[in-house]
Amino acid sequence: QQQVKQSPQSLIVQKGGIPIINCAYENTAFDYFPWYQQFPGKGPALLIAIRPDVSEKKEGRFTISFNKSAKQFSLHIMDSQPGDSATYFCAGVSSGAGSYQLTFGKGTKLSVIP
Amino acid sequence: NAGVMQNPRHLVRRRGQEARLRCSPMKGHSHVYWYRQLPEEGLKFMVYLQKENIIDESGMPKERFSAEFPKEGPSILRIQQVVRGDSAAYFCASSPRDRGGYTFGSGTRLTVV
Repeated sequence: QQQVKQSPQSLIVQKGGIPIINCAYENTAFDYFPWYQQFPGKGPALLIAIRPDVSEKKEGRFTISFNKSAKQFSLHIMDSQPGDSATYFCAGVSSGAGSYQLTFGKGTKLSVIP
Repeated sequence: NAGVMQNPRHLVRRRGQEARLRCSPMKGHSHVYWYRQLPEEGLKFMVYLQKENIIDESGMPKERFSAEFPKEGPSILRIQQVVRGDSAAYFCASSPRDRGGYTFGSGTRLTVV
């Protein structure tokens, strides 16, 4: 059972565009939603995260929008740059559970072309 | 301040051999998590350990896989009698507490031939 569904699988945008990556979750116990950025040959790195008591969080060019009633959240990258080309993963976690395990989406491979 | 160190970076094993993957957490981190990433897939949780204790192994396959985090030394993920389906990237993450603050290592890419 896939608890976090992520789309699209891949995305190509031109430099300066605003790629949007969407995620939907099923587990209502999730109370923390991080996004990770992964470059080839590297481990995932935390990019930005949100809790469901806020509808939007912005850090630099990265914005998360959160819709608790729809159980959906999305990542927007403003003024995208070729250096943003990477695979992006959304995740959910239940911080009240016994272990802080992340449930990841399958990832979105973003290519930003000059 | 070194990050999470995983070695080897690449490991090739023949079917039936054993694979040992090592993870040294960041200094001051006593919580270690192992994840597996299959091609074109997201990371899947395997096991959560604190020093000398397995806290949650709900994601570990029931056979051939084991993990430890001894009082001294790195955490070890051990896969006995490897099969082709074990080929994947294995990532370790460490944190200073049991509620987040994850830092991932660069992973070990296991190839079973």
